Amino acid sequence: QSALTQPASVSGSPGQSITISCTGTSSDVGTYNLVSWYQQHPGKAPRLIIYEASQRPSGVSNRFSGSKSGNTASLTISGLQAEDEADYYCSSYASGSTLKLFGGGTRLTVL
Amino acid sequence: QVQLVQSGPEEKKPGASVKVSCKASGYTFTTYGISWVRQAPGQGPEWMGWISAYNGNTNYAQKFKGRVTMTTDTSTRTAYMEVRSLRSDDTAVYYCARDLLLTTNSFDPWGQGTLVTVSS
Repeated sequence: QSALTQPASVSGSPGQSITISCTGTSSDVGTYNLVSWYQQHPGKAPRLIIYEASQRPSGVSNRFSGSKSGNTASLTISGLQAEDEADYYCSSYASGSTLKLFGGGTRLTVL
Repeated sequence: QVQLVQSGPEEKKPGASVKVSCKASGYTFTTYGISWVRQAPGQGPEWMGWISAYNGNTNYAQKFKGRVTMTTDTSTRTAYMEVRSLRSDDTAVYYCARDLLLTTNSFDPWGQGTLVTVSS
Protein backbone atom coordinates (compact mmCIF):
# COMPACT_ATOMS: atom_id res chain seq x y z
CA GLN A 1 0.00 0.00 0.00
CA SER A 2 1.26 3.48 -0.88
CA ALA A 3 1.15 6.53 1.29
CA LEU A 4 -1.61 9.03 0.64
CA THR A 5 -0.75 11.86 -1.77
CA GLN A 6 -0.55 15.46 -0.59
CA PRO A 7 0.90 18.56 -2.27
CA ALA A 8 4.38 19.30 -0.98
CA SER A 9 3.60 22.90 -0.18
CA VAL A 10 0.88 25.54 -0.11
CA SER A 11 0.99 29.17 0.87
CA GLY A 12 -1.38 31.99 1.66
CA SER A 13 -1.52 35.46 3.15
CA PRO A 14 -2.92 36.26 6.58
CA GLY A 15 -6.71 36.29 6.51
CA GLN A 16 -6.96 34.18 3.36
CA SER A 17 -8.20 30.59 3.10
CA ILE A 18 -6.23 27.62 1.80
CA THR A 19 -7.14 24.02 1.06
CA ILE A 20 -4.87 20.98 1.28
CA SER A 21 -5.83 17.84 -0.59
CA CYS A 22 -5.17 14.22 0.38
CA THR A 23 -5.67 11.68 -2.39
CA GLY A 24 -5.99 7.99 -1.73
CA THR A 25 -7.74 5.07 -3.38
CA SER A 26 -10.95 3.09 -3.14
CA SER A 27 -9.19 0.91 -0.56
CA ASP A 28 -8.76 3.74 1.92
CA VAL A 29 -10.09 7.31 1.61
CA GLY A 30 -12.74 6.29 -0.91
CA THR A 31 -14.31 3.66 1.32
CA TYR A 32 -13.83 4.81 4.88
CA ASN A 33 -14.82 8.05 6.58
CA LEU A 34 -11.91 7.47 8.96
CA VAL A 35 -9.73 10.31 7.68
CA SER A 36 -7.86 12.44 10.19
CA TRP A 37 -5.61 15.48 9.89
CA TYR A 38 -2.65 16.55 11.99
CA GLN A 39 -0.73 19.79 12.46
CA GLN A 40 2.97 19.58 13.29
CA HIS A 41 5.19 22.49 14.20
CA PRO A 42 8.98 22.04 13.88
CA GLY A 43 10.43 19.84 16.59
CA LYS A 44 6.99 19.08 18.05
CA ALA A 45 4.71 16.07 18.02
CA PRO A 46 1.73 16.10 15.65
CA ARG A 47 -1.61 17.38 16.96
CA LEU A 48 -5.01 16.06 15.90
CA ILE A 49 -7.12 18.77 14.25
CA ILE A 50 -9.76 16.80 12.29
CA TYR A 51 -11.09 13.25 12.71
CA GLU A 52 -13.71 11.21 10.87
CA ALA A 53 -13.14 13.44 7.83
CA SER A 54 -14.95 16.49 9.18
CA GLN A 55 -15.13 16.38 12.97
CA ARG A 56 -13.19 18.84 15.06
CA PRO A 57 -11.87 17.85 18.50
CA SER A 58 -12.71 20.15 21.36
CA GLY A 59 -10.22 22.97 21.62
CA VAL A 60 -9.44 23.11 17.91
CA SER A 61 -10.29 26.39 16.20
CA ASN A 62 -13.35 26.41 13.93
CA ARG A 63 -11.08 27.93 11.28
CA PHE A 64 -10.09 24.33 10.53
CA SER A 65 -12.58 22.24 8.56
CA GLY A 66 -12.45 18.94 6.72
CA SER A 67 -14.37 17.29 3.92
CA LYS A 68 -14.21 14.26 1.66
CA SER A 69 -15.33 13.48 -1.86
CA GLY A 70 -14.59 10.18 -3.53
CA ASN A 71 -10.96 9.23 -3.05
CA THR A 72 -9.89 12.72 -1.95
CA ALA A 73 -10.10 14.34 1.46
CA SER A 74 -9.50 18.03 2.02
CA LEU A 75 -8.47 20.30 4.88
CA THR A 76 -9.44 23.96 4.70
CA ILE A 77 -7.96 26.62 6.92
CA SER A 78 -9.80 29.93 6.85
CA GLY A 79 -8.63 33.28 8.19
CA LEU A 80 -4.97 32.25 7.98
CA GLN A 81 -2.83 33.29 10.92
CA ALA A 82 0.95 33.26 11.33
CA GLU A 83 0.66 30.46 13.90
CA ASP A 84 -0.89 28.19 11.26
CA GLU A 85 2.48 27.91 9.53
CA ALA A 86 3.33 24.23 10.02
CA ASP A 87 3.36 20.83 8.35
CA TYR A 88 0.00 19.12 7.85
CA TYR A 89 -0.54 15.39 7.46
CA CYS A 90 -3.59 13.34 6.56
CA SER A 91 -4.22 9.78 7.64
CA SER A 92 -6.76 7.19 6.56
CA TYR A 93 -7.95 3.80 7.66
CA ALA A 94 -7.34 1.24 4.92
CA SER A 95 -8.15 -2.32 3.97
CA GLY A 96 -5.24 -4.65 3.34
CA SER A 97 -2.12 -5.62 5.20
CA THR A 98 -1.48 -2.17 6.67
CA LEU A 99 -4.61 -0.67 8.25
CA LYS A 100 -3.59 2.95 8.76
CA LEU A 101 -1.84 5.17 6.24
CA PHE A 102 -0.36 8.66 6.33
CA GLY A 103 0.24 11.23 3.64
CA GLY A 104 3.66 12.62 2.86
CA GLY A 105 2.78 15.98 4.34
CA THR A 106 2.17 19.55 3.17
CA ARG A 107 4.24 22.51 4.33
CA LEU A 108 2.01 25.57 4.84
CA THR A 109 3.72 28.93 4.55
CA VAL A 110 1.92 32.05 5.73
CA LEU A 111 3.30 34.88 3.61
CA GLN B 1 -4.99 16.09 31.44
CA VAL B 2 -4.38 13.18 29.11
CA GLN B 3 -0.66 12.75 28.65
CA LEU B 4 1.77 10.24 27.16
CA VAL B 5 5.39 10.50 28.29
CA GLN B 6 8.03 8.55 26.40
CA SER B 7 11.51 7.36 27.31
CA GLY B 8 14.64 9.23 26.30
CA PRO B 9 16.75 9.18 23.13
CA GLU B 10 18.65 6.06 22.15
CA GLU B 11 21.77 5.41 20.09
CA LYS B 12 22.17 1.90 18.74
CA LYS B 13 24.45 0.01 16.39
CA PRO B 14 23.10 -1.88 13.37
CA GLY B 15 21.77 -5.28 14.36
CA ALA B 16 20.90 -4.23 17.91
CA SER B 17 17.43 -3.89 19.47
CA VAL B 18 15.71 -0.93 21.09
CA LYS B 19 12.73 -0.78 23.43
CA VAL B 20 10.80 2.47 23.80
CA SER B 21 8.34 3.09 26.63
CA CYS B 22 5.24 5.27 26.76
CA LYS B 23 3.64 6.04 30.13
CA ALA B 24 0.00 7.16 30.12
CA SER B 25 -1.81 9.37 32.58
CA GLY B 26 -5.09 11.26 32.82
CA TYR B 27 -7.44 8.58 31.49
CA THR B 28 -8.46 4.96 32.02
CA PHE B 29 -5.55 3.18 30.37
CA THR B 30 -7.41 -0.02 29.50
CA THR B 31 -10.23 1.79 27.69
CA TYR B 32 -8.00 2.78 24.77
CA GLY B 33 -5.40 1.32 22.48
CA ILE B 34 -2.01 2.71 21.62
CA SER B 35 -0.62 3.15 18.12
CA TRP B 36 3.07 3.51 17.42
CA VAL B 37 4.13 5.83 14.61
CA ARG B 38 7.61 6.70 13.43
CA GLN B 39 8.86 9.67 11.46
CA ALA B 40 12.20 9.57 9.67
CA PRO B 41 14.05 12.88 9.23
CA GLY B 42 12.20 15.09 6.75
CA GLN B 43 9.57 12.43 6.07
CA GLY B 44 5.91 11.94 6.83
CA PRO B 45 4.73 9.73 9.67
CA GLU B 46 4.55 5.96 9.20
CA TRP B 47 2.12 3.81 11.19
CA MET B 48 3.84 0.79 12.74
CA GLY B 49 1.03 -0.93 14.57
CA TRP B 50 -1.57 -0.88 17.34
CA ILE B 51 -2.02 -2.61 20.67
CA SER B 52 -5.10 -2.90 22.85
CA ALA B 53 -4.36 -1.91 26.44
CA TYR B 54 -7.45 -3.92 27.41
CA ASN B 55 -6.37 -7.38 26.28
CA GLY B 56 -2.98 -6.98 24.56
CA ASN B 57 -4.27 -7.75 21.07
CA THR B 58 -1.94 -6.38 18.42
CA ASN B 59 -1.95 -5.52 14.74
CA TYR B 60 1.27 -4.68 12.95
CA ALA B 61 1.85 -2.95 9.64
CA GLN B 62 3.04 -5.46 7.06
CA LYS B 63 6.47 -3.82 6.88
CA PHE B 64 7.15 -4.43 10.58
CA LYS B 65 5.72 -7.89 11.12
CA GLY B 66 8.33 -10.18 12.68
CA ARG B 67 10.67 -7.35 13.67
CA VAL B 68 8.52 -5.28 16.05
CA THR B 69 6.78 -6.30 19.28
CA MET B 70 4.30 -4.13 21.16
CA THR B 71 3.31 -4.84 24.76
CA THR B 72 1.59 -3.12 27.66
CA ASP B 73 1.87 -3.25 31.45
CA THR B 74 -1.47 -2.26 32.93
CA SER B 75 -0.06 -2.11 36.46
CA THR B 76 2.18 0.81 35.46
CA ARG B 77 -0.01 2.18 32.64
CA THR B 78 2.90 1.83 30.26
CA ALA B 79 3.12 0.69 26.65
CA TYR B 80 6.31 -0.63 25.10
CA MET B 81 7.55 -1.03 21.54
CA GLU B 82 10.63 -3.09 20.68
CA VAL B 83 12.36 -3.06 17.32
CA ARG B 84 14.93 -5.78 16.58
CA SER B 85 17.67 -6.08 13.96
CA LEU B 86 18.01 -2.32 13.66
CA ARG B 87 19.24 -0.83 10.39
CA SER B 88 20.41 2.68 9.56
CA ASP B 89 17.07 3.42 7.91
CA ASP B 90 15.33 2.81 11.23
CA THR B 91 16.75 6.14 12.40
CA ALA B 92 13.65 8.15 13.24
CA VAL B 93 11.56 9.74 15.94
CA TYR B 94 9.23 7.13 17.37
CA TYR B 95 5.89 8.28 18.76
CA CYS B 96 3.18 6.59 20.75
CA ALA B 97 -0.36 7.93 20.39
CA ARG B 98 -3.64 7.08 22.03
CA ASP B 99 -5.86 5.37 19.45
CA LEU B 100 -9.19 4.08 20.68
CA LEU B 101 -9.64 0.97 18.56
CA LEU B 102 -7.94 -0.81 15.69
CA THR B 103 -10.94 0.23 13.60
CA THR B 104 -10.77 3.93 14.46
CA ASN B 105 -8.20 6.32 13.07
CA SER B 106 -7.59 9.32 15.30
CA PHE B 107 -4.32 9.60 17.17
CA ASP B 108 -4.82 11.87 20.18
CA PRO B 109 -2.73 12.80 22.03
CA TRP B 110 0.80 11.90 20.97
CA GLY B 111 3.81 11.36 23.16
CA GLN B 112 6.68 13.79 22.87
CA GLY B 113 8.63 11.36 20.68
CA THR B 114 11.79 9.31 21.17
CA LEU B 115 14.71 9.78 18.80
CA VAL B 116 16.35 6.49 17.90
CA THR B 117 19.63 6.83 16.02
CA VAL B 118 21.13 3.76 14.36
CA SER B 119 24.75 4.19 13.36
CA SER B 120 27.93 2.17 13.35
